[in-house]
Amino acid sequence: EVQLVESGGGLVQPGGSLRLSCAASGFPFSRYSMTWVRQAPGRGPEWVATIGEDGSETYYVDSVRGRFTISRDNVDNFVTLQVNSVRAEDTALYYCTIGAGWYEHWGRGTPVTVSS
Amino acid sequence: DIQLTQSPSFLSASVGDRVTITCRASQDISTFLAWYQQKPGRAPKVLIYAASALLSEVPSRFSGGGSGTEFTLTVSNLQPEDFATYYCQQLYRYPRTFGHGTKVEIE
Repeated sequence: EVQLVESGGGLVQPGGSLRLSCAASGFPFSRYSMTWVRQAPGRGPEWVATIGEDGSETYYVDSVRGRFTISRDNVDNFVTLQVNSVRAEDTALYYCTIGAGWYEHWGRGTPVTVSS
Repeated sequence: DIQLTQSPSFLSASVGDRVTITCRASQDISTFLAWYQQKPGRAPKVLIYAASALLSEVPSRFSGGGSGTEFTLTVSNLQPEDFATYYCQQLYRYPRTFGHGTKVEIE
C-alpha cells in the first residue's frame, strides 16, 4: 500500500525556517518524481515544487524559488522541503504527492502557519 | 504561466442531475489536463487524467472531454457523495497550475 506521511510543519514567525519531510513507502520510490503541493485555508491547491527521480532536476513555483529547496533521499525514501524566509502567504497545508504530472497519491499534509 | 479558468465557481444541483464544469486554459495544452474532487478535510482525489481517461475506481457517471484550451467535466446522475469542490490542473508545462475550483452544492 502506498503511504506518504508528512511531518515538520508548525507555527513559524515571518522570516523563519522549517524543514518539512515526507516518508514514502509501498512503491519504488527512486523511480518516481516527487512533488509538494500546498493549500491555503479556503483556497485551491497550489503546486510548489517537484524533484526528479535522481534529484538532479528540480522545479519551483516562482513565489518560492530562492526560499524553498526540495531534496530527496533515495536510500531512506524521504523527500524534504526546506522552507526559508517564510511569509504570511506561505501559510498552508503542505501535501507530499507522487509524480510530476497528475497526482494520484497524497499524504494527509503537514500544516504551516506563519504568524508573529 | 498557464492560467486555468473554471466556470462556474458555484453550482447548485439536485441528486440525479447532470452537471458540467468547464475549464479553459490560457494556451493550448493538448490533453495534458487532470480533474480532481475534494471534500472538506480531505486531500484532492484525482478522477480523470489526460483530459478524458477515468481512473479505474472512479464511477462511470464521471466523464471528461476536450483538448487544446477548452475542457469539460460532466457528472451524470449526480449522487449525494458527489457534492464537493472540483479542480482542473494542467500538466503541460511548469509551473503546474490548478483552476480556482467549482463547488457543487445541494440545491
